Amino acid sequence: DTGVSQNPRHKITKRGQNVTFRCDPISEHNRLYWYRQTLGQGPEFLTYFQNEAQLEKSRLLSDRFSAERPKGSFSTLEIQRTEQGDSAMYLCASSLPVAGSTEAFFGQGTRLTVV
Amino acid sequence: GEDVEQSLFLSVREGDSSVINCTYTDSSSTYLYWYKQEPGAGLQLLTYIFSNMDMKQDQRLTVLLNKKDKHLSLRIADTQTGDSAIYFCAEEDAGGSYIPTFGRGTSLIVHP
Repeated sequence: DTGVSQNPRHKITKRGQNVTFRCDPISEHNRLYWYRQTLGQGPEFLTYFQNEAQLEKSRLLSDRFSAERPKGSFSTLEIQRTEQGDSAMYLCASSLPVAGSTEAFFGQGTRLTVV
Repeated sequence: GEDVEQSLFLSVREGDSSVINCTYTDSSSTYLYWYKQEPGAGLQLLTYIFSNMDMKQDQRLTVLLNKKDKHLSLRIADTQTGDSAIYFCAEEDAGGSYIPTFGRGTSLIVHP
């Protein structure tokens, strides 16, 4: 399977715990995006990487959210001290911009439930 | 996606055409996209249009772009029950970062 892979698919955690999600992009893609999607809403942009550089992180929802892409391949999204409001689907996408187009390929997401 | 607006629901009969509309705000967007999301699945890119085009056709899909009014539409001909899904319009943030920004999605329901 050469698509975008996200793990785990589902995560249930207790409030206050830390969680980490992993995204493996399509191998030749240099851009990687993280989005959050809540019920009835479209994907909400969180952050993105160009290779290993995190070029935009001002839209991360709070300082409890952080992301890394240490070698420019896979990425992790960590949420510290989870709150019930963090319950959502977390989507990862990757792209290889050609002539400006950012055709993004999405993974199936990680569904987080905070209890 | 408050910068991209879509109607939330559309119901059509199988075999009819569906038209899903979208308005966006960034006049400098270079590309505009339509994505499809089926229940429990990730987003799938259906088609996109470059901003210097008025229309793009791809099999049963027709995209119309009115750049003056910042209005984008997706027409699905001969709509089938398998087309039932949520359709998202997305514009690029052309402020240098080219980040796709999504609308809330239109839920298309196709009934026999």
